[in-house]
Amino acid sequence: QVNLLQSRAALVKPGASVKLSCKASGYTFTDYYIHWVKQSHGKSLEWIGYINPNSGYTNYNEKFKSKATLTVDKSTNTAYMELSRLTSEDSATYYCTRPQYRYNHNWFAYWGQGTLVTVSS
Amino acid sequence: DIQMTQSPASLSASLEEIVTITCQASQDIGNYLSWYQQKLGKSPQLLIHSATSLADGVPSRFSGSRSGTQYSLKINRLQVEDTGIYYCLQHYSAWTFGGGTKLELK
Repeated sequence: QVNLLQSRAALVKPGASVKLSCKASGYTFTDYYIHWVKQSHGKSLEWIGYINPNSGYTNYNEKFKSKATLTVDKSTNTAYMELSRLTSEDSATYYCTRPQYRYNHNWFAYWGQGTLVTVSS
Repeated sequence: DIQMTQSPASLSASLEEIVTITCQASQDIGNYLSWYQQKLGKSPQLLIHSATSLADGVPSRFSGSRSGTQYSLKINRLQVEDTGIYYCLQHYSAWTFGGGTKLELK
């Protein structure tokens, strides 16, 4: 069964960076895109971007282009998202998610459990 | 960018009642629309994909429909376990979520 296991909660200082992980299992990692989604407390969901684990190709929501960097490690079936120059606006839960099918423009069928990032001095 | 306007923002309904949540797309998105349920502290869970197709394991009291650029999620005979927040998602051009609907029991 498909499983996406995300890293634990992080408390980071303003101005710092944080790197979140999403370890995939139960399927061929390089066959499916991985997307990242932000959910601020009490708010809706925002699509951040995606990465093709096979090629490393990335595509970002314009809003997050200077904030997030997506990478993968194919040897460990793990996707990463680094968030830079953190401010209080970046405090949120971040999810990795996988589409149902191998082509990209379809719905999110599988979700990680989420990683809570808190930005505070 | 495609905007998804979801209504209502919150909803209180009684057990066994019929509940309808809608999402209005800012342009044609075809059937590239899915619905999710999110419980407190949990990840979103897929309910409906392709506007009208029930996801595996989802109770048949959930259904989706489309009329032009308006999409609806209907819950027949509301159950206690249906409380939570519901989101629509368009994936026609990039990915955009609706604002969410908080569903509570009356």
